Amino acid sequence: AQSVTQPDIHITVSEGASLELRCNYSYGATPYLFWYVQSPGQGLQLLLKYFSGDTLVQGIKGFEAEFKRSQSSFNLRKPSVHWSDAAEYFCAVVGAKTSYDKVIFGPGTSLSVIP
Amino acid sequence: ETGVTQTPRHLVMGMTNKKSLKCEQHLGHNAMYWYKQSAKKPLELMFVYSLEERVENNSVPSRFSPECPNSSHLFLHLHTLQPEDSALYLCASSQAGSYNSPLHFGNGTRLTVT
Repeated sequence: AQSVTQPDIHITVSEGASLELRCNYSYGATPYLFWYVQSPGQGLQLLLKYFSGDTLVQGIKGFEAEFKRSQSSFNLRKPSVHWSDAAEYFCAVVGAKTSYDKVIFGPGTSLSVIP
Repeated sequence: ETGVTQTPRHLVMGMTNKKSLKCEQHLGHNAMYWYKQSAKKPLELMFVYSLEERVENNSVPSRFSPECPNSSHLFLHLHTLQPEDSALYLCASSQAGSYNSPLHFGNGTRLTVT
């Protein structure tokens, strides 16, 4: 069965420090992978996506993620965190495209930023 | 203006009330979704309307009733809800069948059942 795990429920980093959020997926074929961010009281906003090609993908707000097939991982990184990055982050995978997008979301990682 | 608009943003209702949540997408997508987001729980897909086909999660109680009059509008009709139905309800849209179209979300309706 398809699944997504995010091992870290909550992470706290200092402003200006680097960040890495972990994501592992379980899917038999090549997955379509996404990272979303959710600020308090808001919906989910797409940060970046991976479908094929270069395994290092760039997203909005200075985020990037690297797809590693051998580790079934799609970790999100940012070299220098800003206070406005405090939010909930969701990793997601889409399996086979059917008549709709069956998206499997991870449980989320809550990020706090210390000034 | 976001591509997916939800109204109202906040809703408080009693268990005997009937209300509806509205979602409108301006992206030309052909699929629309309702998700439920409760504290400490993963996002739960409730309903999908895609290419005129309705897909639903069989675990969703019948007190939730979706309606999709066209590809741009989606409603969630609520009646005789329970306090445990209090949550953030998110609407999303996508271009089903396209390999380069992620879900686009609205800002959600925060529902409180008293």
